[in-house]
Amino acid sequence: ETGVTQTPRHLVMGMTNKKSLKCEQHLGHNAMYWYKQSAKKPLELMFVYNFKEQTENNSVPSRFSPECPNSSHLFLHLHTLQPEDSALYLCASSQDIGGAYNEQFFGPGTRLTVL
Amino acid sequence: GQNIDQPTEMTATEGAIVQINCTYQTSGFNGLFWYQQHAGEAPTFLSYNVLDGLEEKGRFSSFLSRSKGYSYLLLKELQMKDSASYLCAAADSNYQLIWGAGTKLIIKP
Repeated sequence: ETGVTQTPRHLVMGMTNKKSLKCEQHLGHNAMYWYKQSAKKPLELMFVYNFKEQTENNSVPSRFSPECPNSSHLFLHLHTLQPEDSALYLCASSQDIGGAYNEQFFGPGTRLTVL
Repeated sequence: GQNIDQPTEMTATEGAIVQINCTYQTSGFNGLFWYQQHAGEAPTFLSYNVLDGLEEKGRFSSFLSRSKGYSYLLLKELQMKDSASYLCAAADSNYQLIWGAGTKLIIKP
């Protein structure tokens, strides 16, 4: 138990569906992240929020839409996804951004399958 | 461009020592992280190095050479539970982590 929870743990959706992934951290951290993890590939950073403000958007397609209502909660809204978007989506948080404060605590992930 | 290289897979014997290497090229450098990820689980933090040298933490040690863009993770007295993927990540000038694809470590009895 890392103090970061994600729901749902598994999600199967069609290409025309709309769904949302939820992440919550109980660590009092200020920064939160969304990553995509595909088999045998490096973790891909998608979005970074620091004090609820988005600081990074690494050229992620607009079919992925993040929302950060407060420092403890992070959502990833999904719509009209493609089969190649099937992957493990990991949420992480860190105390801050910088130096050792970059130590990130990960949630268990949502295994997404797009049919 | 920014890049992290580490071996795809390594095999070692229970009770032995294994060294997992990582080389990095980043725009600026603000430290090197190692994470462990068991199959089907989230990555968990192992170590952070920002200065040259060896940091020891129990059976695990991590080394950094900034001039060579090189790090290694040393695992001693290997146990079966150490079978996992080990991820190397370097923080760039914006403190964004650049990740390697991970090294899958297989421990044999």
